[in-house]
Amino acid sequence: DADVTQTPRNRITKTGKRIMLECSQTKGHDRMYWYRQDPGLGLRLIYYSFDVKDINKGEISDGYSVSRQAQAKFSLSLESAIPNQTALYFCATSDFGINYGYTFGSGTRLTIV
Amino acid sequence: SQELEQSPQSLIVQEGKNLTINCTSSKTLYGLYWYKQKYGEGLIFLMMLQKGGEEKSHEKITAKLDEKKQQSSLHITASQPSHAGIYLCGADWNAGNMLTFGGGTRLMVKP
Repeated sequence: DADVTQTPRNRITKTGKRIMLECSQTKGHDRMYWYRQDPGLGLRLIYYSFDVKDINKGEISDGYSVSRQAQAKFSLSLESAIPNQTALYFCATSDFGINYGYTFGSGTRLTIV
Repeated sequence: SQELEQSPQSLIVQEGKNLTINCTSSKTLYGLYWYKQKYGEGLIFLMMLQKGGEEKSHEKITAKLDEKKQQSSLHITASQPSHAGIYLCGADWNAGNMLTFGGGTRLMVKP
């Protein structure tokens, strides 16, 4: 099993729908992150969580919300999806001090039509 | 992030050629991370650089950190089709809090 698992891998949904992307990890890391990737823009941080009771907005949090259900689970929701939220979404985890970098999931390709 | 610039944005090289990708930070780096992403897939950690002048290698990929310029260069020797993908650098500016990523360099290697 992968260290960081994202579901679904691919999703096509309609404008205005609510959608949840899920992330679970077996690394035992306290820190979890959600990023989105658009062509030419690298990865941009949406939300991050340093432990179960800690949730913080990133660079581009508008239109998104998150829930940290447990140390191992961090979900991202789009309350009312819009086409410019079409992107590749990555969940990542790290230990304190990110000594060994992030561990990334395989990504969720989300298309809003 | 414009605070972390990667160049070039894309690169096409002939198999066997050497190439260099640069990552320049506008802020003082605590650490600099390199990742490789195969198209449409997740990111694989390559290496982390922390000290000025530090150089690390991963197979035929070498990365170096220039503390004066706040810049890291990633060099691939004798490129192969398996090197194709997107290379991203990530900057740690806050001593271990989180990473900010550059825009990525898309590398294609022609057989």
